[in-house]
Amino acid sequence: GESVGLHLPTLSVQEGDNSIINCAYSNSASDYFIWYKQESGKGPQFIIDIRSNMDKRQGQRVTVLLNKTVKHLSLQIAATQPGDSAVYFCAENENTNAGKSTFGDGTTLTVKP
Amino acid sequence: NAGVMQNPRHLVRRRGQEARLRCSPMKGHSHVYWYRQLPEEGLKFMVYLQKENIIDESGMPKERFSAEFPKEGPSILRIQQVVRGDSAAYFCASSSGTQETQYFGPGTRLLVL
Repeated sequence: GESVGLHLPTLSVQEGDNSIINCAYSNSASDYFIWYKQESGKGPQFIIDIRSNMDKRQGQRVTVLLNKTVKHLSLQIAATQPGDSAVYFCAENENTNAGKSTFGDGTTLTVKP
Repeated sequence: NAGVMQNPRHLVRRRGQEARLRCSPMKGHSHVYWYRQLPEEGLKFMVYLQKENIIDESGMPKERFSAEFPKEGPSILRIQQVVRGDSAAYFCASSSGTQETQYFGPGTRLLVL
């Protein structure tokens, strides 16, 4: 079956450094991708999204890059802060099953002071 | 400016009992999605509903699980005759339309004894 997955389950960075979290997807029909942040005991929080007609989108301290050729998605967090510590999920929406999001297993980001 | 609301936040049931989970979408949202998350895993899609209609229930177990989103009132995820394997966090999300950003509630953590 087709799935969304993350390359690394955990990532540890020093406060102030930049973080890069990667995601691979296999469904070439997907045209909408989202990054979520989930803190312990809470629901996923929307961070940033990107549609397949773009290859880069920037938000506040975050950038999402989409490489459709190799089906790869990444989330870059600039000047990582302790409050960024959480589990990060990428998700894709299948355009033939509009509404249904497929989530990866998540990367745990730990920020060391 | 209330977000997605879910109740109860925690629910304990004994095997064989029924569990009812409620979700009130964000104001103005008519699309509701239910996801299940097992410990240390990503979210798995269960069902996608619009007012009074089930659009996609491809992730719902064939037995014991049902969902509704009536014209008035919250969306309900109902689990009959719960078993220990139903223990998980159940998240609801809502959006203003198909392929629009899904905003998540805080989840209901179901524990089956």
